[in-house]
Amino acid sequence: GAGVSQSPRYKVAKRGQDVALRCDPISGHVSLFWYQQALGQGPEFLTYFQNEAQLDKSGLPSDRFFAERPEGSVSTLKIQRTQQEDSAVYLCASSFNFRQGNQPQHFGDGTRLSIL
Amino acid sequence: EDKVVQSPLSLVVHEGDTVTLNCSYEVTNFRSLLWYKQEKKAPTFLFMLTSSGIEKKSGRLSSILDKKEPFSILNITATQTGDSAVYLCAVQNSGGSNYKLTFGKGTLLTVNP
Repeated sequence: GAGVSQSPRYKVAKRGQDVALRCDPISGHVSLFWYQQALGQGPEFLTYFQNEAQLDKSGLPSDRFFAERPEGSVSTLKIQRTQQEDSAVYLCASSFNFRQGNQPQHFGDGTRLSIL
Repeated sequence: EDKVVQSPLSLVVHEGDTVTLNCSYEVTNFRSLLWYKQEKKAPTFLFMLTSSGIEKKSGRLSSILDKKEPFSILNITATQTGDSAVYLCAVQNSGGSNYKLTFGKGTLLTVNP
């Protein structure tokens, strides 16, 4: 597609529920990133994929957070047993292949997650 | 740990004014600095800077990097209401986690008619 596409745009869930957030990167982009943005803050790194391989998940806040990209294209960020502190905007970004030189990351519109 | 500090945190100007946004950073083994514009949705890429002293320009926006200080500035001339947004600065290092962007908190720019 023309840009990074994320769905849903908004998600409201009750504390304790599981949620799944989807990211469809720019076609042909090898590198994919997830960030979490709290209100009034800059985005913070969560995890990174190169094709289907998850090479860094050091930014995931807890073991309730899980991300996958099984076919090296679409990625899903799953949060189990949601807590109120999980409320944030979750941004997905992609770049052609960061290993091939300096390239900007292009962001989707994000999913605004609210936990009640 | 890499660190980015942006100033001011917020700024209100009138249409036609010129603004300068600041970004200072600490990074081990600098690779690049990026500027993004964020309205109510996706951060939109503006500039990537890798070398000191070379100005990048796009219309009324320009940016320059000083790796010695180290900092970067983003200039917007003849501001318009459509420039109202949060401007984010981010850095990448060239170490083991060189794919990761470390962001500042952003500068909220409001341009009044």
